[in-house]
Formats: sequence, C-alpha cells, structure tokens
Amino acid sequence: DIVMTQTPLSSPVTLGQPASISCRSSQSLVHSDGNTYLSWLQQRPGQPPRLLIYKISNRFSGVPDRFSGSGAGTDFTLKISRVEAEDVGVYYCMQGTQFPHTFGQGTKLDIK
Amino acid sequence: EVQLVESGGGFVQPGGSLRLSCAASEFTFTNYEMNWVRQAPGKGLEWVSYISTGGRTIYYADSVKGRFTISRDNAKNSLYLQMNSLRAEDTAVYYCARETIFFYMDVWGKGTTVIVSS
Repeated sequence: DIVMTQTPLSSPVTLGQPASISCRSSQSLVHSDGNTYLSWLQQRPGQPPRLLIYKISNRFSGVPDRFSGSGAGTDFTLKISRVEAEDVGVYYCMQGTQFPHTFGQGTKLDIK
Repeated sequence: EVQLVESGGGFVQPGGSLRLSCAASEFTFTNYEMNWVRQAPGKGLEWVSYISTGGRTIYYADSVKGRFTISRDNAKNSLYLQMNSLRAEDTAVYYCARETIFFYMDVWGKGTTVIVSS
C-alpha cells in the first residue's frame, strides 16, 4: 500500500498570512496512463470532507483561487496564499493512483 | 443539487451486522464509481471500499475484507455496505463518496454513524 505522510500535522497561522502543507508518498503516484492522481480535501469542523484540488494542481469547482497545489512524483504541496477564518479545519491529501486509495494523516489548520 | 445521503447507521454489539445505504440524487448514478470512506472518532479518513459503475470491479481495505460487502443498485440510484462481524474498531462515521474517472472523490454525503460496543 502507498503510505501518504503529511507535514506538519498542526499549523497555527495568522489571518491573511500564507500557509503550506506538504504531502509525501511512499512511492511514485504517476499512473500507468501518465497522470498523477493526487488530490487535496478540506474538512471543516463537523462537516464532511470537501474536494479542493485534483490531479495535483486543478482547483475543483467553487474553490477560491487562494488555494493552489503543486508537486510531482512523490512530493506535493498545498498552499493557501492568504488564510481566511473559513479555512480552519483539517486538510488531507489522497492518492487515487492505485488501490487501496490512501489518505494522509491530516493537517489541522487553525488561527493563531 | 447533486446529493448523497447515507442511512442505516446505529448502535450494534460486537459480532453484529448492519447495512448502510447511500441514496444518490440529481446526477446519473450509473456513470460514477462509488466509495465508502470512514472516520473513527477524532481520527483521520480511512478508505473502506470501492465499486465500479456496473459493480463488476470491487476493492476492499484489508481491515474489512471478508466482513464487509459493497454493492449497488443502479435502478434505485443506491449504494450499500453490508457490514458483518462488526468490531469495536469499526466504530466510525461512514461516508459514501462519488469518484470520477480521474480517481478523485468530488461529492460526499454527510455520513452515518456506526457504534460497535457491548
């Protein structure tokens, strides 16, 4: 199974400041079709997960452009350019390249 | 509005069974693969099971293999998870999630809670 490791596990940030979350996979996420199926999800308190980013860097419909994804191979990053209060929650990376699908442990983002 | 609504959760003793359902609406259910994902109290997300559009391809997490069975009824726009031989560690909120051809889960239900305890 592919292990997804996120850092940091907790990230206190100041409103209006940037935030960055790293996700590393135990093996390459490049699929045999050439695509890399790495996505990012946000889970606000008491809510189900919500898709933010798919295929490394594609913002899902309705996701603010302050969210961006980057990376390749085994190393990926989610960046928030200017954190807003509504961004508080837990962020997960997920690989869909092979089964079983696996998630990172989650990174808790809160406001300083 | 595209929606997934889970039901069937509840309190069950170890060794017992439950059947979860997920009702899909406002999209063509037959066109999408589906998953069950669970979240134990205070923990992260754990993928549980996947089923292809026609139900021919199915995968399970090792933690539930042999105990859980995923199925779907495309005529009823519904996804199911039959859970047998339940253990305390199966206690979680169970979400159904729609998967696209690009292997990401774009629509999630609100979840149904399963508590396994004596």
